[in-house]
Amino acid sequence: EVQLVESGGGLVQPGGSLRLSCAASGFTFSSYWMSWVRQAPGKGLEWVANIKYDGSQKHYVDSVMGRFTISRDNAKSSVFLQMNSLRVEDTAVYYCARVAGYIDHWGQGTLVTVSS
Amino acid sequence: SYELTQPPSVSVSPGQTARITCSGDAMADQYAHWYQQKSGQAPVLVIYKDTERPSGIPERFSGSSSGPIVTLTISGVQADDEADYYCQSADSSGTYWVFGGGTKLTVL
Repeated sequence: EVQLVESGGGLVQPGGSLRLSCAASGFTFSSYWMSWVRQAPGKGLEWVANIKYDGSQKHYVDSVMGRFTISRDNAKSSVFLQMNSLRVEDTAVYYCARVAGYIDHWGQGTLVTVSS
Repeated sequence: SYELTQPPSVSVSPGQTARITCSGDAMADQYAHWYQQKSGQAPVLVIYKDTERPSGIPERFSGSSSGPIVTLTISGVQADDEADYYCQSADSSGTYWVFGGGTKLTVL
């Protein structure tokens, strides 16, 4: 059974940093692209970033470019999202997801709140 | 930036057919996928590559595509189908993903 478990969310002040982690199990992690998708309170889904199975390609939505970094550790079956220079508008539930050309499995999400 | 357009809401009575559209300039070049999100839950894939249905998704869920518009059709709508539905695709290069704004399906 595919499982994706996010961690690392919490409350952070504007301008601060946070690192999200996603532990994957139940599949050959090193064979799949992975993605982060977020959802602000009461709002729709927003794609944040994708990373290729070997980490050689990374793509970001414009609004996080230069502030967020997606990475992965295939030996530990984990994907990460380093978030710097956080803004109030980054407040959201952040979902880790497995990519098969589309998202075929989602984690349960971790809440990030950016507030002073 | 690339955008996908969905109607904010659709309402149908039980047993009727619900159709949710999604339009985008690159839709003719890229596949679209559909996700169902019930309140307080993570999204679930219901249609991928315009028309394909994942295992475990009821046959009443179907997808179609015509040029820049894709459509999610739910036949014989049930109360349990009440949820938000999101289309997702990519820009013409296939590199940058985008979600539609979401459609709230209400079962009257």
